[in-house]
Amino acid sequence: QSALTQPRSVSGSPGQSVTISCTGSSIGIGGHNYVSWYQQHPGKAPKLRIYDVTERPSGVPNRFSGSKSGNTASLTISGLQAEDEGDYYCCSYGGSYNYVFGSGTEVTVL
Amino acid sequence: QVQLQESGPGLVKPSQTLSLTCTVSGGSTSSGNFYWSWIRQPAGKGLEWIGRIYTSGSTNYNPSLNSRVTISLDTSKNQFSLKLRSVSAADTAVYYCAREFERFDPWGQGTLVTVSS
Repeated sequence: QSALTQPRSVSGSPGQSVTISCTGSSIGIGGHNYVSWYQQHPGKAPKLRIYDVTERPSGVPNRFSGSKSGNTASLTISGLQAEDEGDYYCCSYGGSYNYVFGSGTEVTVL
Repeated sequence: QVQLQESGPGLVKPSQTLSLTCTVSGGSTSSGNFYWSWIRQPAGKGLEWIGRIYTSGSTNYNPSLNSRVTISLDTSKNQFSLKLRSVSAADTAVYYCAREFERFDPWGQGTLVTVSS
């Protein structure tokens, strides 16, 4: 199973919005709503930011939002802040009882 | 809240078996509709899902690792374990354990396993 496709990097100034795309297949992302997003700081474990495409766990700022269209899911960070820097990974249920992660996107706050 | 902690050898010789344990605290591995998963990340690279085990003991594995992986559950110790056989340098990575229910949360802090002679 191939990794989901994400842009290598995105950047924005504080207060701006950035969107990260995650492209899969009709069996994966396009076939269900089990898409989640994780933020990872250097040397740390990933942290859940979005699940079930659009749902935000308790404690996650509402500037994080998710969406999906066809085989592509997206994570938008609005009102970008310095602590939003890091690597972001999407994850999708891949069918056949397995999961696949995205290739990862580095977010830089200018 | 639920916390997970990985443990095991940090160095494994090529062709041998990598063995890791994840200890769960603040919650039970024998209750709830949760799976317990292993995920790894080579240095500077992305995340790779290895496999999972349900509270009933049923398992699912990444097809690319299926022939070498075994995940087991010990509810009496509130632990689950990973065994990866016939390792090579390509298996060098940080290994994470995580609770899963349509998403992975929470995660353990991760443990680095290096495959080298």
